[in-house]
Amino acid sequence: DAGVIQSPRHEVTEMGQEVTLRCKLISGHNSLFWYRQTMMRGLELLIYFNNNVPIDDSGMPEDRFSAKMPNASFSTLKIQPSEPRDSAVYFCASSLGGPDQPQHFGDGTRLSIL
Amino acid sequence: AQSVTQPDIHITVSEGASLELRCNYSYGATPYLFWYVQSPGQGLQLLLKYFSGDTLVQGIKGFEAEFKRSQSSFNLRKPSVHWSDAAEYFCAVSPKGYSTLTFGKGTMLLVSP
Repeated sequence: DAGVIQSPRHEVTEMGQEVTLRCKLISGHNSLFWYRQTMMRGLELLIYFNNNVPIDDSGMPEDRFSAKMPNASFSTLKIQPSEPRDSAVYFCASSLGGPDQPQHFGDGTRLSIL
Repeated sequence: AQSVTQPDIHITVSEGASLELRCNYSYGATPYLFWYVQSPGQGLQLLLKYFSGDTLVQGIKGFEAEFKRSQSSFNLRKPSVHWSDAAEYFCAVSPKGYSTLTFGKGTMLLVSP
């Protein structure tokens, strides 16, 4: 079975550019989570969707960040304009929904903003 | 405030020795508890989880964890560590009724020959 697929694996871009990170959920999963991992702050939840609807976006840093689920199996996280402090590893995870369901993680996108 | 604490940033263990990684949580009620492992350049993989019942839970790769309500702890153990266990380990909690996870800062496990 295919796991959660993230693209690109690495992204290097200049400050001010738009960045789009992509995530394909595991088939049949209906919950989607975006996380950011940095040395200073560890793993932080950015946003959580259930059945394509954003449920908790309290972790989204600011208006420069936006996330969408255009369909049940795909999500994007956009940063516009990007800043050097956005450099981090971004993970998405999917699950069957509910607090007792484990989250399955992708391999992450390592983002560097110069 | 709700929190998850992993007091050890790094731990070095000799191959074949036993391992215990500590995790403490601070929540109003017992949450759901998880341990994840992250190998370099990869995402997190679930090792085990505790919801209720038997306080000693078994996971994959020979790991186990014990829930102690009186200490608000959920420590991860392995009787004999292999070099392939070198990775970063994260404790996570999910309040009952919520689907989101709060992670500890992680413990990096180094295995010496």
